[in-house]
Amino acid sequence: QVQLVESGGGVVQPGRSLRLSCAASGFTFSTYGMHWVRQAPGKGLEWVAIISYDGTNIYYADSVKGRFTISRDNSKNTLYLQMNSLTTEDAAVYYCAKDQAGRGRVYNWFDPWGQGTLVTVSS
Amino acid sequence: AIRMTQSPSSFSASTGDRVTITCRASQGISSYLAWYQQKPGKAPNLLIYAASTLQSGVPSRFSGSGSGTDFTLTISCLQSEDFATYYCQQYYSYPLTFGGGTKVEIK
Repeated sequence: QVQLVESGGGVVQPGRSLRLSCAASGFTFSTYGMHWVRQAPGKGLEWVAIISYDGTNIYYADSVKGRFTISRDNSKNTLYLQMNSLTTEDAAVYYCAKDQAGRGRVYNWFDPWGQGTLVTVSS
Repeated sequence: AIRMTQSPSSFSASTGDRVTITCRASQGISSYLAWYQQKPGKAPNLLIYAASTLQSGVPSRFSGSGSGTDFTLTISCLQSEDFATYYCQQYYSYPLTFGGGTKVEIK
């Protein structure tokens, strides 16, 4: 079955960088758009970014634009999120999520989600 | 960005109750709306997309309706496993945005 496993979270100081990974299995990764969604502790969900199946179309939330970079390696079935210039506002559980469309399209709803990886930003 | 407003933010209900959660968009989004359920410590789970289409495997007691700016999620007969937080999400335009969530608690 579809499995998404995030890694790379941890404690980082403000202003530093972190790279998250999401290892995908159980589906043809190279044909699906992929998303990152985050959730600050005790708060609601915030969409972060999407990358198309081939990496040619990318969109970001305004709150991370210019600081975060989404990318993918289809040969490794892995999604990435490079996070630079981190602030306390970026502290959250980060989920990767599969777009349901496939076959080169995007629907922009999420199914399924990974279990999440926690990013803590603290000095 | 399109703002999504859910109401209420929380409420208490009993097993067997019929419950309705409302989601309002700040501008028309046609039927480009999804609903998710999230239980504590777990990732969200897709319930409904296209405002009213039930995701495969989701119990039929869940239903969605609406178009334009006003949407509802209804649980026809609340079960113990339905106590959770529910989120709406618009996918009409980027940035994709979520409602603030509605927590359904046990009365």
